[in-house]
Amino acid sequence: GENVEQHPSTLSVQEGDSAVIKCTYSDSASNYFPWYKQELGKGPQLIIDIRSNVGEKKDQRIAVTLNKTAKHFSLHITETQPEDSAVYFCAASRTSGAAGNKLTFGGGTRVLVKP
Amino acid sequence: KAGVTQTPRYLIKTRGQQVTLSCSPISGHRSVSWYQQTPGQGLQFLFEYFSETQRNKGNFPGRFSGRQFSNSRSEMNVSTLELGDSALYLCASSITLNYGYTFGSGTRLTVV
Repeated sequence: GENVEQHPSTLSVQEGDSAVIKCTYSDSASNYFPWYKQELGKGPQLIIDIRSNVGEKKDQRIAVTLNKTAKHFSLHITETQPEDSAVYFCAASRTSGAAGNKLTFGGGTRVLVKP
Repeated sequence: KAGVTQTPRYLIKTRGQQVTLSCSPISGHRSVSWYQQTPGQGLQFLFEYFSETQRNKGNFPGRFSGRQFSNSRSEMNVSTLELGDSALYLCASSITLNYGYTFGSGTRLTVV
């Protein structure tokens, strides 16, 4: 089955700096890669996702890049703010018709943005 | 619009008991998935339902079961509870099978 590795496990940045989180996946058939942000006491919130036919996607201060050949994808947060402090999870899945969408998650990255 | 609603938010049960957790998806969403979150194992897929049919199942023992009703609401059941079942159980819904999921806030189950 799919295996997703996420690094680093913790990341401390100064407010205004950039943060980068990297994930690698094992199943070359995976074609959907979402990123989730989880704050204390809440469920994971989808912040951005990318499909395998796209190499990069951007949404304001957040961007995701995908390298299918190397089987890795990254989350980039620019101009970090204290409210970006949370645990971030990457995930991968093979979405295919009736097969559904079973997400395999990375271990998470705890991001701390210091004011 | 209302998000994914999970009830109850917190639950304390004794070993050997059984428990039923409920999930109401976002209106119009027909796919519901369940995940278990623990500090040691992280987020792990339990099962996925679409149109009242189980489409996917994770690597959990048969004590874990679920179902989906005609209004897309879903329940999961855990029988013969063990201490290791203590976790945050998350429900997520999606418009259909291959779209992004929206998670609820979860049910925190503690087994004593």
